[in-house]
Amino acid sequence: AQSVTQPDIHITVSEGASLELRCNYSYGATPYLFWYVQSPGQGLQLLLKYFSGDTLVQGIKGFEAEFKRSQSSFNLRKPSVHWSDAAEYFCAVGDTGGFKTIFGAGTRLFVKA
Amino acid sequence: DGGITQSPKYLFRKEGQNVTLSCEQNLNHDAMYWYRQDPGQGLRLIYYSQIVNDFQKGDIAEGYSVSREKKESFPLTVTSAQKNPTAFYLCASNAGGNEKLFFGSGTQLSVL
Repeated sequence: AQSVTQPDIHITVSEGASLELRCNYSYGATPYLFWYVQSPGQGLQLLLKYFSGDTLVQGIKGFEAEFKRSQSSFNLRKPSVHWSDAAEYFCAVGDTGGFKTIFGAGTRLFVKA
Repeated sequence: DGGITQSPKYLFRKEGQNVTLSCEQNLNHDAMYWYRQDPGQGLRLIYYSQIVNDFQKGDIAEGYSVSREKKESFPLTVTSAQKNPTAFYLCASNAGGNEKLFFGSGTQLSVL
């Protein structure tokens, strides 16, 4: 069965510093991979997705992620964090037949001035 | 603006009571979903519907029921059989398959 692991429950970075959020997945075939962001008390918003092709994908708000098949990873990065990036971030993998997206437990990002 | 509307934002349930959470979308999406979110556990799929008048159980369907009589609407009923209903409930929709999900702003359900 597919699964998604986000090893870090929470991360604190200084404003202006770089960010990397880790995501590992378990899946037999080429996965459909997603990163979503959630502000407190709100729904989730898609940051970026990977289906095929270029393994480095660009998303909204200056985020990017790199698919590494050999490491079963899809880490999210941002070169310079802004205070408004403080939120919870979810990595997700899509089921083969679609319709059953599996989410990781999330990583909460804190940004300090 | 197109989107997903969930109501109410906060809901309280008494012992033995059934409660219904509303979800409406005007994105013309075929597929709709209900997720439950508990702190530290991510999102877990309760039910999903690929098309009107059809729906399937997700990973944690026990104690919940749904209907899909209209394309725009996918209400979730939390029944008295759900013994631990306190959670944040999120409704989502998409064009189907592995297309990106659009989420509502959620309903926080608590037990009195």
